[in-house]
Amino acid sequence: NSKVIQTPRYLVKGQGQKAKMRCIPEKGHPVVFWYQQNKNNEFKFLINFQNQEVLQQIDMTEKRFSAECPSNSPCSLEIQSSEAGDSALYLCASSLSLGGLEQYFGPGTRLTVL
Amino acid sequence: GDSVTQTEGQVTVSESKSLIINCTYSATSIGYPNLFWYVRYPGEGLQLLLKVITAGQKGSSRGFEATYNKEATSFHLQKASVQESDSAVYYCALSAYNQGKLIFGQGTKLSIKP
Repeated sequence: NSKVIQTPRYLVKGQGQKAKMRCIPEKGHPVVFWYQQNKNNEFKFLINFQNQEVLQQIDMTEKRFSAECPSNSPCSLEIQSSEAGDSALYLCASSLSLGGLEQYFGPGTRLTVL
Repeated sequence: GDSVTQTEGQVTVSESKSLIINCTYSATSIGYPNLFWYVRYPGEGLQLLLKVITAGQKGSSRGFEATYNKEATSFHLQKASVQESDSAVYYCALSAYNQGKLIFGQGTKLSIKP
């Protein structure tokens, strides 16, 4: 069973509010991914890190979304000004490396933007 | 772009009958993608079911198997005899060998008839 911890499990925000969620990867996993799963079950990759460094991110995250993985602290994903379309399940996953290995997923943070 | 297609959103199979869940992919920017099946059981997080990283090889786990068919660009999931405990949502996914970010299909919800 995965030991990726995500908090909070549920998050409700009004439009324009900040929304912040956290992730503790599995111990010893230097690579962390964030995905968004919308109400249609579609997954979208948002960003990934190796240790504290951003490796890849999509354009969406360069505007209202920000993320970090500081050493000795949980990783976080923050939406600066939430929009209704951001309502989704946000999944954090960790892995031993980038190349072809299993990603271990957390239970997700379900964000609802009213 | 790269994509994964699962044509069935929902499948219902009688207990002890055989199962096939279809998955095809397009990997225009990735020569030889890694292929995965992930599963989400009710109330649980997403977890890896099986993976294959070499074309022509077969992966298997928990009675499920899938063969990486490069010519047909397919990775169908099969099981000879399903059980009630197999009820879950199954996601086909791919990644580039050196990138790690997963591209998921839309998922197939499997329901088992007693």
